[in-house]
Amino acid sequence: EAGVAQSPRYKIIEKRQSVAFWCNPISGHATLYWYQQILGQGPKLLIQFQNNGVVDDSQLPKDRFSAERLKGVDSTLKIQPAKLEDSAVYLCASSSHEKLFFGSGTQLSVL
Amino acid sequence: GIQVEQSPPDLILQEGANSTLRCNFSDSVNNLQWFHQNPWGQLINLFYIPSGTKQNGRLSATTVATERYSLLYISSSQTTDSGVYFCAGTPRGSARQLTFGSGTQLTVLP
Repeated sequence: EAGVAQSPRYKIIEKRQSVAFWCNPISGHATLYWYQQILGQGPKLLIQFQNNGVVDDSQLPKDRFSAERLKGVDSTLKIQPAKLEDSAVYLCASSSHEKLFFGSGTQLSVL
Repeated sequence: GIQVEQSPPDLILQEGANSTLRCNFSDSVNNLQWFHQNPWGQLINLFYIPSGTKQNGRLSATTVATERYSLLYISSSQTTDSGVYFCAGTPRGSARQLTFGSGTQLTVLP
């Protein structure tokens, strides 16, 4: 069974630029999550989708972050404009019931 | 939201030793899970354990939901067990916000 796919693996941008991350969940998983993990900390939930609807985006900085999940499968997370404090690993996860499976993440460096 | 406290924050073991990691929650939780993040950053789900005890090879986990804590046991540790161990849970009555602790950094020396 294929796991959660994410791309790119690494991204380096300058502040005020925009960036987008892509995620393809495990086939059949209705729930998709985007987490932000800052070095030395546990992952923090940014947004949770159930199929193509948003369940929770209470911790998403909506002035600069946006996410969509068209057709209830793939998802993209965008940051525009990026700030220095956005440097982190962005993790995508999916679940069919409660057990979460994570992708390899995208390491973002904002210079 | 709930607070998740993990202990110890750091642990160094000699290969072959046993260890116990603990996770305390500030309130009742559902969906308690343990993860291992390897040195390359990949998060692997070890256990989904809202209550009771489960075992998988050298690893086992116990959750006492009424007392709001969970334990992860690692026996006969190997260098490949090194990494960060996270526990996470969802506030009872909510399907949202799987909240992670800050992790236990485990280093197993050869």
